[in-house]
Order: sequence, then C-alpha cells, then structure tokens
Amino acid sequence: GENVEQHPSTLSVQEGDSAVIKCTYSDSASNYFPWYKQELGKRPQLIIDIRSNVGEKKDQRIAVTLNKTAKHFSLHITETQPEDSAVYFCAASRAGNTPLVFGKGTRLSVIA
Amino acid sequence: DTAVSQTPKYLVTQMGNDKSIKCEQNLGHDTMYWYKQDSKKFLKIMFSYNNKELIINETVPNRFSPKSPDKAHLNLHINSLELGDSAVYFCASSQDRRGLSYEQYFGPGTRLTVT
Repeated sequence: GENVEQHPSTLSVQEGDSAVIKCTYSDSASNYFPWYKQELGKRPQLIIDIRSNVGEKKDQRIAVTLNKTAKHFSLHITETQPEDSAVYFCAASRAGNTPLVFGKGTRLSVIA
Repeated sequence: DTAVSQTPKYLVTQMGNDKSIKCEQNLGHDTMYWYKQDSKKFLKIMFSYNNKELIINETVPNRFSPKSPDKAHLNLHINSLELGDSAVYFCASSQDRRGLSYEQYFGPGTRLTVT
C-alpha cells in the first residue's frame, strides 16, 4: 500500500520568512496530493491540492510542487504570519474516492 | 450550514462499553470515511464507504463497524471499548467526479476517552 513520509516534524520560522515542508510517497499510482492545515482542537482543512498532471500550483502565499518521477511533493509558504502556526499534513491518494494516506504532520510555529 | 457534522463532540466512557458516533453530510457526496487521529496526531483511515463498496483498513479491529442507514449518514459503532481506542475520530466525505479525486471535507471530530 501507499506510504507517505513527511519532513520535518517540527519547524520554527520568524514571521515574514518562508517555510518549506517536504513529502515523499511510494505508490506510483497515486495521482492526487492535498495539503491540510489543522489548528489546535479543530478539523483538518484543505489549503491546496495538486494532481499528477501538474508540476506546480500556487494560491497567494501558498504553493505546492510535485516531482512525479522522484515521487515527492512540497509545500511552500511565503511571508509567514503567526496565524500560519498549525500542524500541516500532506496526503496522497489514487483516482476516484479512495482514502487519503497522510504523512505524520509538521508542526509549524511562526514566531512574531 | 455545517457540511459534515458529528455527534457527540466528546465521549467519555469506560472500558468494555459499546458506543456509537454519528456522522451526517449535507453535501450530496457519495463517499464517506472514518479516520482515527491518535495522541501523536497521526491520521489513519479506518473505513471508506459508498453505496457500492465498503473498504476496511485491515488493521482496524472488528470491534469497529460502520453503519450507513442512507447516503448522507455513516455511523461508527464500537464494541467492547479498550483504553487504546482513545483518540479523535473524524468523519469525512467526498464526491467522485469522472474518476478524479476531490477535496475530502472533514467533520469537527469526536474526542473519545476510554477510562
């Protein structure tokens, strides 16, 4: 089955700096890669996703890149703000309504 | 309106009891899921279910059983609760469109504590 590795497990950055979180996956059939943000005590919420036919996607301060050959994808957050502090999860799944396989999460702390 | 709702939000119970968690989605989605988030925040799929197929994660004990009275509901029933079942349980739903995966919407979670 699919296995998703996520690094780092914790990340501290100064406000205004960039943050990068990296994930690798094992199943070459996976073609959907979402990123979820989870604030303390809240539900995971989708912040951006990418499909395997796209190499990069950007939404304001957030971008995701995908290298299908190397089976890795990354989340980039620029101009970080204190409200970006949360746990971020990468995930992977195959086509259709298949369950997400999550990475173990990255706790991001943005220091004002 | 809440897209995916769960009840109860908190559930404290003793070992050996049987309990249920309810989930409802009003998005018209055709697939629903149960995920377990343990104390280390690891999120793992337990079940996925649509009107055609139930997929069970092989690591889930058979004390756990999903029950779907209709397309909008997927309840989770747990028999003979154990201390290790303490976790946050999230329900989610998604819609398959032409074989492509789309966003899974999560419910607010149910924090289960077994004493």
